[in-house]
Amino acid sequence: QVFLEESGPRVVETSGTLSLTCTVSGNSIRGHYWSWIRLTPGRGLEWIGNIHYTGSTSFHPSLESRATIEIDLSKSQIALNLKSVTAADTATYYCARDVMGANWFAPWGQGVLVTVSS
Amino acid sequence: DVQMTQSPSSVSASLGDRVTITCRASRDISTYLAWYQLKSGEAPALLVYATSSLRTGVPSRFSGGGSGTNFTLTISSLQPEDFATYYCQQANRFPWTFGQGTKVEIK
Repeated sequence: QVFLEESGPRVVETSGTLSLTCTVSGNSIRGHYWSWIRLTPGRGLEWIGNIHYTGSTSFHPSLESRATIEIDLSKSQIALNLKSVTAADTATYYCARDVMGANWFAPWGQGVLVTVSS
Repeated sequence: DVQMTQSPSSVSASLGDRVTITCRASRDISTYLAWYQLKSGEAPALLVYATSSLRTGVPSRFSGGGSGTNFTLTISSLQPEDFATYYCQQANRFPWTFGQGTKVEIK
């Protein structure tokens, strides 16, 4: 059974960079796509982007200019960086595994609430 | 983007009630629809995928249906552990998008 755990700073300053790490355990990180998804009170769930274990990435067009996702196979970790953040980026951030051959997500991590504050 | 519209935004129901949540897509997504359950402090869970396929371990009181632009998630007999927020998600057209959620509350 695979487990995902998000970690990183809970508070980020306006115009700074949000940096989160997802650690995968219980199963191999290889062979899969891994996504970042966020939940905001105003906009609900929003898919941010994903990365294949080979390193190829895809992003929501609205976030593509600010987001990067990287993968570290040796540490079984997926990293999200979101630059130039504003209050609108305050959200609970989740990592999730893309179901193989489809574009839905399971399992997910518990998520981490990140607040953008001035 | 494909807009996903859920209704109602919240529903109050009693144990044993039948609850149906509707999800409407702004364009035809065939049967590329999933449903998730979110509870505060827990990892979100995939319940239904491909419109009507139950993920392993999901109780049979959950069922999904529909095609094209109109979809439903039905809980046949509400149990205490079902009080949560439910989201639909389309997986047909990039970028993948979600509904705004339906909160199922205790009446």
